[in-house]
Amino acid sequence: EVQLVESGGGSVQPGGSLRLSCAASGFTFDNNHMNWVRQVPGKGLFWVSGIFAGDSDRRTSYADFVRGRFTISRDNAKNTVYLEMTSLRAEDTAVYYCATDPRDGYGHFDYWGQGILVTVSS
Amino acid sequence: EVVLTQSPDTLSLSPGEGATLSCRASQSVNSKFLAWYQQKPGQAPRLLIYGTSNRAAGIPDRFSGSGSGTDFTLTISRLEPEDFAAYYCQQYGDSLYSFGQGTKLEIK
Repeated sequence: EVQLVESGGGSVQPGGSLRLSCAASGFTFDNNHMNWVRQVPGKGLFWVSGIFAGDSDRRTSYADFVRGRFTISRDNAKNTVYLEMTSLRAEDTAVYYCATDPRDGYGHFDYWGQGILVTVSS
Repeated sequence: EVVLTQSPDTLSLSPGEGATLSCRASQSVNSKFLAWYQQKPGQAPRLLIYGTSNRAAGIPDRFSGSGSGTDFTLTISRLEPEDFAAYYCQQYGDSLYSFGQGTKLEIK
């Protein structure tokens, strides 16, 4: 059974930092591109960041609204993807989902975690 | 950056009716890279359709996708009570992904 379990969320003040983790199991982690998607409760989905599969190709990509503030990384030995979030703003408050792109050539997300809430407030 | 615009924002229908949800892109999208998701309150999104028209594993055949270029459609042929939810289209291109703003399908 595929499982994606996010952790590391919580409350932080504006300007602060937080690191999210997503532990994966039930599939071949290093064959999948890993991504973070966020959602303000009751609102739409926004892709945040992605990191490509494989040890040699660690290409990353970011949405404009987080580029320069967030950093995605992965540890294939631990089957875990991370999102380091710095210079947090109130508008970063959202549920953050970890999601897999199976690298089947279709650019979609086939598995999702349950999501973790990040609240940025003074 | 490709912007996806879904219509309508809200669709009110009755069980048993058919539903047609639209997704329009600001520029042409490779049909391999267009997907649809369903999301119910308090749950993560679930993949319905990928590559414009391929149903994901376990998705009933009342769900179908079509389209090309800038216009894509999700069709639900006969609405079941469990189909009332939010639906999102999503595209991929140049190492970037984006979602439409969503369509809420509600019971009339």
